[in-house]
Amino acid sequence: GEDVEQSLFLSVREGDSSVINCTYTDSSSTYLYWYKQEPGAGLQLLTYIFSNMDMKQDQRLTVLLNKKDKHLSLRIADTQTGDSAIYFCAETSTPVPNYGGSQGNLIFGKGTKLSVKP
Amino acid sequence: KAGVTQTPRYLIKTRGQQVTLSCSPISGHRSVSWYQQTPGQGLQFLFEYFSETQRNKGNFPGRFSGRQFSNSRSEMNVSTLELGDSALYLCASRSDRVKGYTFGSGTRLTVV
Repeated sequence: GEDVEQSLFLSVREGDSSVINCTYTDSSSTYLYWYKQEPGAGLQLLTYIFSNMDMKQDQRLTVLLNKKDKHLSLRIADTQTGDSAIYFCAETSTPVPNYGGSQGNLIFGKGTKLSVKP
Repeated sequence: KAGVTQTPRYLIKTRGQQVTLSCSPISGHRSVSWYQQTPGQGLQFLFEYFSETQRNKGNFPGRFSGRQFSNSRSEMNVSTLELGDSALYLCASRSDRVKGYTFGSGTRLTVV
């Protein structure tokens, strides 16, 4: 079945780089996403990558995709205390054939709690 | 541009009652999805609506239902509430062109 795995915790020092890793199972996923959740808040879309790309960079964020190993990573450069949050990796499920128009739903990992120490 | 708006933010209900949660998507977004977030199960997909029709559904009992109106606003209903339904319910909307889903702040439901 479809499943997304992430490590649960990561602790870094302010100014260092953070790397959050994720593995997924559905090789037909067209898009893969990274979301951030701060306490008491909803999910904030950080970035996404199309499955035919190897890398995507957006300011301090770099996403690397290894499709062969079904491995996705998010690198945050110059990590700040404001980056402390839970980060979720998500893949898109295969659309259900009997339902017209669906792009498939998001399947999330359990989230990685990033703690940034000053 | 206003984000995804969910009301109410907090709810306390008693076992056996029913509850209705509301979601207003970003203007122009026609796809609305609902997710349940709990500490044990994480984020799980409930259902997706597009043009007032349910397009996809997750593995939840029939007590969970939803609908979408012509203005794309969506509601979800949970009947005969159980303690295990206590969760953060998140709504997400997406435009036809953009692939990312924008989430609301959620409704935190507590069943006592």
